[in-house]
Amino acid sequence: KNEVEQSPQNLTAQEGEFITINCSYSVGISALHWLQQHPGGGIVSLFMLSSGKKKHGRLIATINIQEKHSSLHITASHPRDSAVYICAVYYGGATNKLIFGTGTLLAVQP
Amino acid sequence: TAGITQAPTSQILAAGRSMTLRCTQDMRHNAMYWYRQDLGLGLRLIHYSNTAGTTGKGEVPDGYSVSRANTDDFPLTLASAVPSQTSVYFCASSLEGDTEAFFGQGTRLTVV
Repeated sequence: KNEVEQSPQNLTAQEGEFITINCSYSVGISALHWLQQHPGGGIVSLFMLSSGKKKHGRLIATINIQEKHSSLHITASHPRDSAVYICAVYYGGATNKLIFGTGTLLAVQP
Repeated sequence: TAGITQAPTSQILAAGRSMTLRCTQDMRHNAMYWYRQDLGLGLRLIHYSNTAGTTGKGEVPDGYSVSRANTDDFPLTLASAVPSQTSVYFCASSLEGDTEAFFGQGTRLTVV
């Protein structure tokens, strides 16, 4: 069982729709990352958060430490948002490493 | 601004041959990582380095080795490649483990 679970695995939306991608993890973490990967492209960091909520343009990320859950929201979705969205958690201390979810493939249709 | 760069971009390698994937960053980041990305499995950590001179094993270290002689460079070596090592490899770095991570553009490796 993956330590980091994302849902849904695949998501198709119409342009303009509000989108939510979820991430759950099994043990306490120091930080959580949301990343974006376009087809055939590199990986870009969207957010890094350890509590509360962050907003950047049409993207909002929230985290609930007690429930071990984070969500990534996209408002007014656009076809250029089509990508794989990846959640990764950071376990601090001696391990100092990121553990990744398998990603959510988002397709926004015009 | 270079950031983090990987080389080569892609490679076809005969089974049994050795190869080194290069990764260089110019951000003076302490932490560096090597991941492989396979369909349906997501990114899996191969090896990591918290700081120059130290390395550690990730989830899937077998068949791979790394070194961290200085802050900037973190090469990944396949001593004797096997077809199961066909994958896309990403190098990443961060100032510390709990800060923003930056990724290289990836190396697509095919072992035949």
